[in-house]
Amino acid sequence: DVVMTQSPLSLPVTLGQPASISCRSSQSLVHSDGNTYLDWFQQRPGQSPRRLIHKVSNRDSGVPDRFSGSGSGTDFTLKISRVEAEDVGVYYCSQGTHWPPYTFGQGTKLEIK
Amino acid sequence: QVQLVESGGGVVQPGRSLRLSCAASGFTFSDYGIHWVRQAPGKGLEWVALISYDGTNKYYADSVKGRFSISRDDSKNTVYLQINSLRVEDTAVYYCTIFHCWGQGTLVTVSS
Repeated sequence: DVVMTQSPLSLPVTLGQPASISCRSSQSLVHSDGNTYLDWFQQRPGQSPRRLIHKVSNRDSGVPDRFSGSGSGTDFTLKISRVEAEDVGVYYCSQGTHWPPYTFGQGTKLEIK
Repeated sequence: QVQLVESGGGVVQPGRSLRLSCAASGFTFSDYGIHWVRQAPGKGLEWVALISYDGTNKYYADSVKGRFSISRDDSKNTVYLQINSLRVEDTAVYYCTIFHCWGQGTLVTVSS
């Protein structure tokens, strides 16, 4: 199974400052079809997960442009350009290249400093 | 709008069975594979099962293989997760999802 490792696991950020979360996979996530199936999800307190980014860097509909995804191969990053109060929650990366199983990172808890 | 609504959770004793349902609306149900993902209290997300768009292929996490069974009824736009031989470690919120849309989840608590 592909292991997804996120860092940091806890991320205190000042409002208006940038934030960055790293996600590393135990093997390359490049699929034989040429796509890289790496997604990012946000889970606000008490809510269901919500996908923010699919295939590394594609923002889902309605996701603010302060969220961006980048990376390739085994190393990926989610960046928030300026953190807002509504961004508090847990962020997960997930891979859908080598399945089953689909696998998630441990989660990164973003809080306001 | 795209919507997934889970139901069927509850408190059950170890060894018993439960069937979860996921009712879909707002999209062409028969075009989509549907996943179940669970989240134990205070823990992260764990993928559980997937049924293909046409129901011919089913996939399971090793942790549930042989005990969980996923199925779909396209006439009702509903996916089911049959959970047998429940264990304490199956306690979790169970979400159905197509990844760009998630349900609100249904809580399964396994306790004697």
